Amino acid sequence: EAQVTQNPRYLITVTGKKLTVTCSQNMNHEYMSWYRQDPGLGLRQIYYSMNVEVTDKGDVPEGYKVSRKEKRNFPLILESPSPNQTSLYFCASSFSSGTAHGYTFGSGTRLTVV
Amino acid sequence: GQSLEQPSEVTAVEGAIVQINCTYQTSGFYGLSWYQQHDGGAPTFLSYNALDGLEETGRFSSFLSRSDSYGYLLLQELQMKDSASYFCAVREAGNMLTFGGGTRLMVKP
Repeated sequence: EAQVTQNPRYLITVTGKKLTVTCSQNMNHEYMSWYRQDPGLGLRQIYYSMNVEVTDKGDVPEGYKVSRKEKRNFPLILESPSPNQTSLYFCASSFSSGTAHGYTFGSGTRLTVV
Repeated sequence: GQSLEQPSEVTAVEGAIVQINCTYQTSGFYGLSWYQQHDGGAPTFLSYNALDGLEETGRFSSFLSRSDSYGYLLLQELQMKDSASYFCAVREAGNMLTFGGGTRLMVKP
């Protein structure tokens, strides 16, 4: 089944403890992206990647890191999480030819930083 | 930068037609997409307009006017399961996708 898999689905952590949210897609998509969703603010892009070893900042990159060493994986790293990073996170992927086929989203990761 | 405006809430009755508008301001534009998101779920792709005009997919249609920086999603024969949030999103160079704040659609019996 074609899908984007995120792990974990739920995570509660403490301020300052490094964490990684994994994202993997099995559709051979070139484009991958991370979004965070907060009430009233919609989906805001954190980082995106157009191909292996090519990443760029989105609208809200502060406090996050990403890497794209393989085409299928695009982990999101929070080196020192803070409570304002409590949010619902989505990973998404798409074909490189544009968004005519749309982004496919993972099921989401609900992160709470206390 | 980009900004997208869409109503925060819309209410309609089952069987009716509803239109969700989206206006955008962008420095570069490659197309307008629409996504549906049910509570607790992930956004799912509905439609994409790169050129002016109407695209129809079953009960859902999407319209784009590039000269007016405006588009809408039209939902016909509303069903209870259509109750969800709907997001417009603009694609710019590099396939970066910027989303609007979302419109919460409530379908009543």
